[in-house]
Amino acid sequence: EPEVTQTPSHQVTQMGQEVILRCVPISNHLYFYWYRQILGQKVEFLVSFYNNEISEKSEIFDDQFSVERPDGSNFTLKIRSTKLEDSAMYFCASTGLAYFNEQFFGPGTRLTVL
Amino acid sequence: ILNVEQSPQSLHVQEGDSTNFTCSFPSSNFYALHWYRWETAKSPEALFVMTLNGDEKKKGRISATLNTKEGYSYLYIKGSQPEDSATYLCAFMGSGGYQKVTFGIGTKLQVIP
Repeated sequence: EPEVTQTPSHQVTQMGQEVILRCVPISNHLYFYWYRQILGQKVEFLVSFYNNEISEKSEIFDDQFSVERPDGSNFTLKIRSTKLEDSAMYFCASTGLAYFNEQFFGPGTRLTVL
Repeated sequence: ILNVEQSPQSLHVQEGDSTNFTCSFPSSNFYALHWYRWETAKSPEALFVMTLNGDEKKKGRISATLNTKEGYSYLYIKGSQPEDSATYLCAFMGSGGYQKVTFGIGTKLQVIP
């Protein structure tokens, strides 16, 4: 059964460093998402991506964040200069023909900023 | 700021009991509501996508209803089993910012054998 994969599963970085979180969505899906969950808090929407551009983004998704789909299979989230408060679980998700359809989530990347 | 509330936040039931929990969301600008089941150390897994007022969906022992006019959805589990233990998340999609998804905090269900 097709699934969304994410790498790495855990990333530890120093404050101020850049990190790139990688996702491979399900191959025929068209809509891609990044979410994060800070420990004990709600899952928060970061950004949605369709047709090679950002379609929606939240207030959290400021200039330090960017997304890319460089090669038609990978979908990456870059955090330019990490802060302590960026420590969270980051989930990628994708969905098929219609954006309101069920989303398929990856296993997540736990980012720890020291 | 959109408010999506779930209650209760945690629940313990005995095996065989039926249970239900609530997701409330803004009643204006509704587009879709998703329910997800999230087991520890796994990814959230979609249960239902609900788009129409009055929708009722069923998957095995789990069912959900939707009232968009008053802004709530119920998730029901009939005859709970230990394998139903998980966090159940609802996620709201509004028609303004239609790809922006707002999650509730989740209801953590523990089914005691």
